[in-house]
Amino acid sequence: TQLLEQSPQFLSIQEGENLTVYCNSSSVFSSLQWYRQEPGEGPVLLVTVVTGGEVKKLKRLTFQFGDARKDSSLHITAAQPGDTGLYLCAGLPGSHTDKLIFGTGTRLQVFP
Amino acid sequence: GAGVSQSPSNKVTEKGKDVELRCDPISGHTALYWYRQSLGQGLEFLIYFQGNSAPDKSGLPSDRFSAERTGGSVSTLTIQRTQQEDSAVYLCASSLVWRGGQETQYFGPGTRLLVL
Repeated sequence: TQLLEQSPQFLSIQEGENLTVYCNSSSVFSSLQWYRQEPGEGPVLLVTVVTGGEVKKLKRLTFQFGDARKDSSLHITAAQPGDTGLYLCAGLPGSHTDKLIFGTGTRLQVFP
Repeated sequence: GAGVSQSPSNKVTEKGKDVELRCDPISGHTALYWYRQSLGQGLEFLIYFQGNSAPDKSGLPSDRFSAERTGGSVSTLTIQRTQQEDSAVYLCASSLVWRGGQETQYFGPGTRLLVL
């Protein structure tokens, strides 16, 4: 069974701080997605990375796919209270499947 | 346009009762997914419908769980003889035609099920 482990599980920081969330696996994924989920809502897709070593930026968020396509990271610069939420990574084990495997989640709390 | 909707938003039931959870996907989306999310955790895949193909039921945890999709649109997830460990948020997602897994899945707000 392919697993995606996220770390840290919980993160509480002050507004303006930087942070990095990690998503790791021993398995290779054809693509990897990051979602953010707010209380009472479903996850919302932030980004999809498909190429090993790929880096994508979304305003203050930087996403990186590992060279071996087994891991990914999400870096947030100058965090804001609006960044608060549950961050989930999700990977596709192969290009011929559409069943995402979700990570264990990282709950981020940004205090003003 | 309207997003994915789910009903009810909350459901409290007694152990042993059957429950039905409904999902209305985005119009035109051919793929529909059901997931289960335990408190504050990641999502567990349950079942997947794609067009007229046979559904992928490989994630259903037991034979008490079943799902159907009528007319390629609305889907119902049924849990028979509910157990306390079935308590979770059940999320539905839909997407356009499958393109090698790179299309976006749009999630509904979920149904929060509590089995007493």
